[in-house]
Amino acid sequence: KQEVTQIPAALSVPEGENLVLNCSFTDSAIYNLQWFRQDPGKGLTSLLLIQSSQREQTSGRLNASLDKSSGRSTLYIAASQPGDSATYLCAVRPDDKIIFGKGTRLHILP
Amino acid sequence: DGGITQSPKYLFRKEGQNVTLSCEQNLNHDAMYWYRQDPGQGLRLIYYSQIVNDFQKGDIAEGYSVSREKKESFPLTVTSAQKNPTAFYLCASTIQGFRTENGYTFGSGTRLTVV
Repeated sequence: KQEVTQIPAALSVPEGENLVLNCSFTDSAIYNLQWFRQDPGKGLTSLLLIQSSQREQTSGRLNASLDKSSGRSTLYIAASQPGDSATYLCAVRPDDKIIFGKGTRLHILP
Repeated sequence: DGGITQSPKYLFRKEGQNVTLSCEQNLNHDAMYWYRQDPGQGLRLIYYSQIVNDFQKGDIAEGYSVSREKKESFPLTVTSAQKNPTAFYLCASTIQGFRTENGYTFGSGTRLTVV
């Protein structure tokens, strides 16, 4: 059974620092991996989608990598800002459903 | 702009009452999903539908029902059989097939509270 783990569950860093969020999954048979952002009381906003054949995707200050063979993905955030404070979730798609991790709650300290 | 609309944003249910959460999308997506989110438990799949007039149970379908009469709409009914319905409910959609560039799109959610 596919399981997705995100460590740490919470993270606080000073503004301006670069940071990495981690996501691991137990079964490498996935079609894609998607990173989302969720603000308190809001829905999920898609940040980056990586197909199984891709190694990374970039959008602005965000870079996501995928190593399918080791079951790992990272989300790199450059030059963090207070507006980046949110919960970040990763999700893998092994079939017609996606499976989520529990997320990392990120707090950027001004 | 294309997207998913969930309504209402807040919903209050009395004990023993059925309530229906609305989810409408104008993305021309084939598949639609309902998730429940509780603090510390992540997102759990309730029901999903890959095509009109067809749907499948997810991991926590008991006490819920759905219909898919139109491609654009996937309403969720929380029945009185659901003993602990207080949660945040999220609807999502995606294009059918796995080699998609679009991934999943989510609505803004409905917060249901039992009073």
